[in-house]
Amino acid sequence: KAGVTQTPRYLIKTRGQQVTLSCSPISGHRSVSWYQQTPGQGLQFLFEYFSETQRNKGNFPGRFSGRQFSNSRSEMNVSTLELGDSALYLCASRPHENTEAFFGQGTRLTVV
Amino acid sequence: GESVGLHLPTLSVQEGDNSIINCAYSNSASDYFIWYKQESGKGPQFIIDIRSNMDKRQGQRVTVLLNKTVKHLSLQIAATQPGDSAVYFCAENSAGNTGKLIFGQGTTLQVKP
Repeated sequence: KAGVTQTPRYLIKTRGQQVTLSCSPISGHRSVSWYQQTPGQGLQFLFEYFSETQRNKGNFPGRFSGRQFSNSRSEMNVSTLELGDSALYLCASRPHENTEAFFGQGTRLTVV
Repeated sequence: GESVGLHLPTLSVQEGDNSIINCAYSNSASDYFIWYKQESGKGPQFIIDIRSNMDKRQGQRVTVLLNKTVKHLSLQIAATQPGDSAVYFCAENSAGNTGKLIFGQGTTLQVKP
């Protein structure tokens, strides 16, 4: 069974640009969550999607958005990139509520 | 901000010894806890979980202990191996806080050969 797949693995963008990251969950998993990981803040929850609906959102500005498609694949978008958005962005999927979340390898975003 | 705290940033142990990694959580409403292992360049990997109706759970070479009275979680690794070297995170989830895991800052485990 394939794991959580995130693309691309690495990305370099310029301040002010926007970026879209993609996540394919484990087959059969309908819940997809996104996290930002930085050395200073650790792992911070961005948002969670289930059956194409955002069910929960973390404390991030509106520049961070996401969506989920009918096949459970998810994308997150960051607009007007800032240097501080440089981070590892992790996607996790889970089959049911309150079960373990399985993480992908992450997308390393560098904003210059 | 909200967080699950860890007591030590780095733990260094000798190969073959037992390791204990601690975690303090703040939300008494949390009812599900997970330990993750993260190796360099990889995403967090699930190790073991425990629900709030239990105080101990064992896996292969790992044991998680939950003390709800003092809101403390620990991960015990038996016969620590070099491959156990990584950053370990505890995470909590509370009913109603859908899909959101709150992570601690992480403890780096270094295994000396």
